[in-house]
Amino acid sequence: DIQMTQSPSSLSASVGDRVTITCRASQSITNYLNWYQQKPGKAPKLLIYAASSLHSGVPSRFSGSGSGTDFTLTISSLQPEDFATYYCHQSYSTPLTFGGGTKVEIK
Amino acid sequence: EVQLVESGGVVVQPGGSLRLSCAASGFTFDDYTMHWVRQVPGKGLEWVSLITWDGDNTYYADSVRGRFTISRDNSKNSLYLQMNSLRTEDTALYYCAKDRGDSSGWLGWLDPWGQGTLVTVSS
Repeated sequence: DIQMTQSPSSLSASVGDRVTITCRASQSITNYLNWYQQKPGKAPKLLIYAASSLHSGVPSRFSGSGSGTDFTLTISSLQPEDFATYYCHQSYSTPLTFGGGTKVEIK
Repeated sequence: EVQLVESGGVVVQPGGSLRLSCAASGFTFDDYTMHWVRQVPGKGLEWVSLITWDGDNTYYADSVRGRFTISRDNSKNSLYLQMNSLRTEDTALYYCAKDRGDSSGWLGWLDPWGQGTLVTVSS
């Protein structure tokens, strides 16, 4: 099974900050990497698919990059509505697997 | 508008069985692969299973293979998860999610997700 390791597990940031979350796969997954945002009490929402493609309706301050084993989710200017938990997810092979999550909190 | 509504979550004893349902609307259900994903309250996401648009192919997480069975009834726009030999570690919120891929192949891009149904395995 492919293991997905996210870092950090949590971070504190201020509105307007640039935030970067990393995700590492235990083997190459080419670009089969997706990012989800989850707010408390809500279902996850797709943000980024295929490593760098922005899902419809997602603000352009979100971006994804990477290929192979190392990936990054960047929020260019953190907004109040972005405080949430973010998960990376590989869809290269079954069983599909998620990273452990990164909780973005208000500083 | 695409909607996914899960149901069937209850409190069940270890060793028991349960069937979850997911009612889909707002899209051509039989064109898309569907998934189940679970989340222990306060913890991370765990993918459980997927079924292709035609029901011909199914895949499972190691933790549930042999105990859970995913199925679908395209005539009823419904997805199911039959859960047998339940364990305390199966306690979680179970989400169904639609794959962005169509009948040409699944992509694993999960959008949207339902709101989930809570399964509690406890004596």
